[in-house]
Amino acid sequence: DAGVIQSPRHEVTEMGQEVTLRCKPISGHDYLFWYRQTMMRGLELLIYFNNNVPIDDSGMPEDRFSAKMPNASFSTLKIQPSEPRDSAVYFCASTDSYLAEKLFFGSGTQLSVL
Amino acid sequence: KQEVTQIPAALSVPEGENLVLNCSFTDSAIYNLQWFRQDPGKGLTSLLLIQSSQREQTSGRLNASLDKSSGRSTLYIAASQPGDSATYLCAVSLEDYKLSFGAGTTVTVRA
Repeated sequence: DAGVIQSPRHEVTEMGQEVTLRCKPISGHDYLFWYRQTMMRGLELLIYFNNNVPIDDSGMPEDRFSAKMPNASFSTLKIQPSEPRDSAVYFCASTDSYLAEKLFFGSGTQLSVL
Repeated sequence: KQEVTQIPAALSVPEGENLVLNCSFTDSAIYNLQWFRQDPGKGLTSLLLIQSSQREQTSGRLNASLDKSSGRSTLYIAASQPGDSATYLCAVSLEDYKLSFGAGTTVTVRA
């Protein structure tokens, strides 16, 4: 398996634009997580899916953030409209364990909002 | 709320020296503790998982200990190599999928 695949690797956009981040989890993993990493706040859990269903989105910072998982092999995280404070590295991770044991992370998307 | 602290924030050692990385957490009622490695521009890679009932785990040159009562874990890396240079993060789980991560310790191993 190629591991968790995220795209794009880098995204530079202007404030107010829509941003869509993509993730392909490892085949057979029923649990998918979106995290955000910043210097100030470290790694934060944004949303968690189980079997394509969002279970906990309490970490999504604002209504400008939304996430979907239309099937077992694809998830998106959308920010609309984007703001400079959204600049961060966004990671997708998947696992076959409910307790998030042995999480496999993607390489992340470095987002810069100007 | 679970607080996870890693000290020091950065560490530089000569090749061959043993590394000792510390992680402390405020709520001892954890389910497990994990150590991750993060290379620049990359995601996190899981290194070791210690269940709450365990005292330590070993993998090759890596050994992690867990003392729940004192809220501490230590990651030992024996005979460090330049390839060990990375940021090491610990994360604790309170019996659900929500991991609380430390800020990490950035290690530089000088050749």
